[in-house]
Amino acid sequence: GENVEQHPSTLSVQEGDSAVIKCTYSDSASNYFPWYKQELGKGPQLIIDIRSNVGEKKDQRIAVTLNKTAKHFSLHITETQPEDSAVYFCAASEGTGRRALTFGSGTRLQVQP
Amino acid sequence: EAEVAQSPRYKITEKSQAVAFWCDPISGHATLYWYRQILGQGPELLVQFQDESVVDDSQLPKDRFSAERLKGVDSTLKIQPAELGDSAMYLCASSLAISGTYEQYFGPGTRLTVT
Repeated sequence: GENVEQHPSTLSVQEGDSAVIKCTYSDSASNYFPWYKQELGKGPQLIIDIRSNVGEKKDQRIAVTLNKTAKHFSLHITETQPEDSAVYFCAASEGTGRRALTFGSGTRLQVQP
Repeated sequence: EAEVAQSPRYKITEKSQAVAFWCDPISGHATLYWYRQILGQGPELLVQFQDESVVDDSQLPKDRFSAERLKGVDSTLKIQPAELGDSAMYLCASSLAISGTYEQYFGPGTRLTVT
């Protein structure tokens, strides 16, 4: 089955700096890669996703890149703000819309004001 | 904005007791997932439904866990008897599961503490 590895496990940045979180996956059949933000005591919130036919996707301060050959994808947050502080999870699935997600272990992002 | 509903939000139970969680997916979402999230880890699938049918329950500890989605809408996850190791966040998610639509949306979760 799929295995997703995520790093770093913790990341501390100054407000206004950029943050990058990286994930690798093992199953070449995976073609859907979402990112979730989870705040304390809440469920994961989908913030951005990418399909395998796209190399990069951007939504305001958030961008995701995908390298299918190397089987890795990354989340980039620019101009970080204190409210970006949370745990971020990457995930992968075979992506027909009918399969469960395999999640990474999470990155705790702390944005220092 | 439509959301996945879950109840209760918090549950404390003693080991060997029975406990049940309820999930109401986003209206029209045919696929429903139950995930378990241990503190400090990512969610892991317990069971997946397509309408009222179980699609994947390979990771569900069937000796103590059961799940149903009788009318293909809301769902119940039950644990009997609860064990100390079951303490975790239980998350429900739903998806349209129509070709080209992959997004899974999560509810707020039920935090279970077994004492």
